[in-house]
Amino acid sequence: EAGVVQSPRYKIIEKKQPVAFWCNPISGHNTLYWYLQNLGQGPELLIRYENEEAVDDSQLPKDRFSAERLKGVDSTLKIQPAELGDSAVYLCASSSRDSQETQYFGPGTRLLVL
Amino acid sequence: SQKIEQNSEALNIQEGKTATLTCNYTNYSPAYLQWYRQDPGRGPVFLLLIRENEKEKRKERLKVTFDTTLKQSLFHITASQPADSATYLCALAEDNFNKFYFGSGTKLNVKP
Repeated sequence: EAGVVQSPRYKIIEKKQPVAFWCNPISGHNTLYWYLQNLGQGPELLIRYENEEAVDDSQLPKDRFSAERLKGVDSTLKIQPAELGDSAVYLCASSSRDSQETQYFGPGTRLLVL
Repeated sequence: SQKIEQNSEALNIQEGKTATLTCNYTNYSPAYLQWYRQDPGRGPVFLLLIRENEKEKRKERLKVTFDTTLKQSLFHITASQPADSATYLCALAEDNFNKFYFGSGTKLNVKP
């Protein structure tokens, strides 16, 4: 079984530029999460999807961040415009309806904003 | 305010010894507590879950305890090996897994 796939693995951009991250969850997993992880910190939830519906986006900075999961499978997280403080690792995770307590994480996208 | 505290200092132990990591929390009412392992450059990997009505859970060399009165979980790795060296994160889940909150993790170094 393939794990959670994320791309790109690394991204370097200049501030004020847009950037997008892509996530392909484990096949059949209906719940998808986007987390932000700063160096030396634990993951912080940005948004959670149940199928194509965003059921918790309370921690998503909506002025510059957006996300979508149009067909309830792949998801894209976008930042526009990026700021220096957005430099972090962006993790995607998924879980199945039958085993919601187990989140499977992707390797993350490491973003550096210059 | 809500806090999840894990020792920010690395834990250095000798191979074969038992490693014990601590997770303390305040102002949460977790239904579940989880432990994850994270290696550099990789996402966290789920290890164990313990429910609020369980005192202890074991899986191979791993043992987790959960004391809701002390608001604390202890994570033990017995007969530790250098391959156990990683950062270990605890996470709380409230509301039937609708919300997960992670601690900042403790780095474990197991020396041969």
